[in-house]
Amino acid sequence: QVQLQESGPGLVRPSGTLSLTCGVSGGSITTENWWSWVRQPPGKGLEWIGHIYRSGSTNSNPSLKSRVTISIDKSENQFSLDLRSVTAADTAVYYCARNWGAWGQGTLVTVSS
Amino acid sequence: QTVVTQEPSLTVSPGGTVTLTCASSTGAVTSDDYPNWLQQKPGQVPRALIYNTNNRQSWTPARFSGSLLGGKAALTVSAVQPEDEADYYCLLLSGGAWVFGGGTKLTVL
Repeated sequence: QVQLQESGPGLVRPSGTLSLTCGVSGGSITTENWWSWVRQPPGKGLEWIGHIYRSGSTNSNPSLKSRVTISIDKSENQFSLDLRSVTAADTAVYYCARNWGAWGQGTLVTVSS
Repeated sequence: QTVVTQEPSLTVSPGGTVTLTCASSTGAVTSDDYPNWLQQKPGQVPRALIYNTNNRQSWTPARFSGSLLGGKAALTVSAVQPEDEADYYCLLLSGGAWVFGGGTKLTVL
């Protein structure tokens, strides 16, 4: 059974870059799936950030597209998120997921000076 | 950008039946929108219940069913249990991008 685990800094300075990695175990990231990032601000709903296919093709939320990069590292069996020029509005729990059926535990990222 | 609309809150009695709906600002929801439904309990990770309109995940109880109803995606919960109290999110694929609904808070009372 595939398991996902997010990792990265819990605190990011305003105007900086939020960088997270999702490690995949129990399965290969090269299978025919898509791999997503989702976030949830405290007390609010879920927001899709973007996804990447095993081919490396990506798509992202139009409202975040200019600030988002999602990449895949097949050798490390992981995929990553970079969100640039962050503000306090980017404070949220960030989740990685596979095909919506498997989710990481989530990691809280706070944007603050 | 597509907006996905759900009822903000619903209340149901234990043992009752409730239907949650999911509407798209682009028009009628169809199977081509690949409707998904997720459940999230307080402090927990979201958990997928239904994919591609009406397919249950292997762990989804049979009392949860997905459908298309009157131009919307729908999640019906039959014989509601107290543990079904949660937030429910609809998810649609629109123009290659996934869009979450705002969520429905289901209260079992």
